[in-house]
Amino acid sequence: AQSVTQPDIHITVSEGASLELRCNYSYGATPYLFWYVQSPGQGLQLLLKYFSGDTLVQGIKGFEAEFKRSQSSFNLRKPSVHWSDAAEYFCAVGAGQFYFGTGTSLTVIP
Amino acid sequence: KAGVTQTPRYLIKTRGQQVTLSCSPISGHRSVSWYQQTPGQGLQFLFEYFSETQRNKGNFPGRFSGRQFSNSRSEMNVSTLELGDSALYLCASSLGLVPSSGNTIYFGEGSWLTVV
Repeated sequence: AQSVTQPDIHITVSEGASLELRCNYSYGATPYLFWYVQSPGQGLQLLLKYFSGDTLVQGIKGFEAEFKRSQSSFNLRKPSVHWSDAAEYFCAVGAGQFYFGTGTSLTVIP
Repeated sequence: KAGVTQTPRYLIKTRGQQVTLSCSPISGHRSVSWYQQTPGQGLQFLFEYFSETQRNKGNFPGRFSGRQFSNSRSEMNVSTLELGDSALYLCASSLGLVPSSGNTIYFGEGSWLTVV
């Protein structure tokens, strides 16, 4: 069965520090993978997606993610976090329908 | 172009009542899917509509239903509301059926439903 695991429920980083949010998926075939961000009281905004090809994908707001098939992972990274990045981040796998992880809440300390 | 529009944004209903939520997809998008988001359960898939037909359904009771119109606009209905139905209901649209063909879904801002 398809599933997505985001092991970190909450992460706190200092502004300017680097960020990595973890995502592991379970899916039998080549997955379509996505990262979304949700600000309080808002819907989900697409950050980036992986369908095929280059395993390092670039997204909006300076985010990138790397697909590692051997580890069934699709971790999200940002070299320097800004205070406005504080939000909830969701990893998703698309397989007939979207399966979302439980989310990682990011707090940014000034 | 305009994004996914959901109405109403906020509503309060009494237990036992019914509610209808509306979603207008991005222009040109033919697929609309609905999700329920709660703190305890996270994001859960309700159903997807494409060309006025329900194509996929999540694991929700029959009290949750939906439909899609010829202009791709969609409504979802919840009957006999329960306290546990309090949630953020998110609508998402995509060009075609979701990701089996690599389509991306784009979300609206959601409808906050409180059942008292």
